Amino acid sequence: GAVVSQHPSWVICKSGTSVKIECRSLDFQATTMFWYRQFPKQSLMLMATSNEGSKATYEQGVEKDKFLINHASLTLSTLTVTSAHPEDSSFYICSARRTELIEETQYFGPGTRLLVL
Amino acid sequence: DAKTTQPTSMDCAEGRAANLPCNHSTISGNEYVYWYRQIHSQGPQYIIHGLKNNETNEMASLIITEDRKSSTLILPHATLRDTAVYYCIPISNFGNEKLTFGTGTRLTIIP
Repeated sequence: GAVVSQHPSWVICKSGTSVKIECRSLDFQATTMFWYRQFPKQSLMLMATSNEGSKATYEQGVEKDKFLINHASLTLSTLTVTSAHPEDSSFYICSARRTELIEETQYFGPGTRLLVL
Repeated sequence: DAKTTQPTSMDCAEGRAANLPCNHSTISGNEYVYWYRQIHSQGPQYIIHGLKNNETNEMASLIITEDRKSSTLILPHATLRDTAVYYCIPISNFGNEKLTFGTGTRLTIIP
């Protein structure tokens, strides 16, 4: 199956610092990638859609200046949490859309757990 | 209104078949039914998808009713590693639709 990786798998940082999370599609190219956030005991919430070579599309209520997304290649998207605060502590998960013939499937990374102190 | 209705939780004995139902009565003609699962503290895992025909792969079988208003995911021989939250998601291909996760079914496999 298609493989999506994320790095780092977990990170602890001080309040006010920035954290970058990488999402890579290892065995396929992905024009479109997605970033989700999941708080404890809640379902995944879509934050933004990342399109290669263009600006990301953010969901309502997600601050684009705080969550910077870059999708510079067909296999890499990055999410930077700028000036992180404790309320940004969460499980961040990316996915990449793979297209095969006329069907599309999203494959997810293993997630990155962020703890802001 | 929610697009799908799934049981909140289910138990299944190890080694038995786990049958997870999903109601998607408002599904559109161009929407596929995708199933994902999320094991605790991991990213969601793609399981299977279908449009109108029944589908089978190495992980599971998907039975879709003829009117497409409901489907059942079947794990033929459940193991403890199948304990997870299972999500049924109708979504169209090539429509720029976004995968939206509901509450899913928490499946617990009992030894």
